[in-house]
Amino acid sequence: DVKVTQSSRYLVKRTGEKVFLECVQDMDHENMFWYRQDPGLGLRLIYFSYDVKMKEKGDIPEGYSVSREKKERFSLILESASTNQTSMYLCASSLRWGKASYEQYFGPGTRLTVT
Amino acid sequence: KQEVTQIPAALSVPEGENLVLNCSFTDSAIYNLQWFRQDPGKGLTSLLLIQSSQREQTSGRLNASLDKSSGRSTLYIAASQPGDSATYLCAVPGGSYIPTFGRGTSLIVHP
Repeated sequence: DVKVTQSSRYLVKRTGEKVFLECVQDMDHENMFWYRQDPGLGLRLIYFSYDVKMKEKGDIPEGYSVSREKKERFSLILESASTNQTSMYLCASSLRWGKASYEQYFGPGTRLTVT
Repeated sequence: KQEVTQIPAALSVPEGENLVLNCSFTDSAIYNLQWFRQDPGKGLTSLLLIQSSQREQTSGRLNASLDKSSGRSTLYIAASQPGDSATYLCAVPGGSYIPTFGRGTSLIVHP
C-alpha cells in the first residue's frame, strides 16, 4: 500500500514564526502536492513538484515556499506564519503524468493553528 | 479551466438506502476520474479510480460510472450504513494534468 505520512497531525504556531511541514511518501512517486483545505473553499493547490528540485506554483502560492531535495520528501514552508494561514494542510503524491494511472494518495493532514 | 461540481452538497438518509452522488466536469478531455472519501479532520482516502477508457468501476458496495461525453460521473452506494457517513469528493485532471476537485457531498447515514 502507498503510504503518505505528514510530520505532525496538529501544530500550533505564533504569528511571524517560520513553519515547516514535511511530507514523505514510500512509493517512489514522481509527483507530490501540497493543498490547504478550508470550510466553504474546498481543496486549493499551493504547490506541486514533478521531480526532485522541481516545483510549480499552484493556485495560492503566496506566503509559502517548498523544497524537494529527495524524491520521497516534499516540504512546505511558511516563511512568516500569519493567522490567515490557519488551515488543514494536505500532502498528496502520484505517479508521473502519462503513466497508466496517476491515482493520487493523500496523507492524514496537518491541522495548523496560527495564533 | 476545468470546473467540477458535486450535487447534492449535503445528504442525510436513513440506513439501508441506496444512494447516488453526482459529479460533473466542464472539460471532457480527461485521463481519469477519482472518487475520494474524507472523514472529519482526516485526509482523503481513495475509493475508486476510473480510467477514461472505462465506463465504471466497482469496489464492494460502491460503483462509480463515467460518461465522458456528457461530463458526468456518479458514485452509487448500495445499502448505506452509518459508517458510510463522510464527505465524498471527486477529482478530474485539469490543466497540466493537475487534479481539480469538487467541493464534495457531505453524507450522513443515520441508524
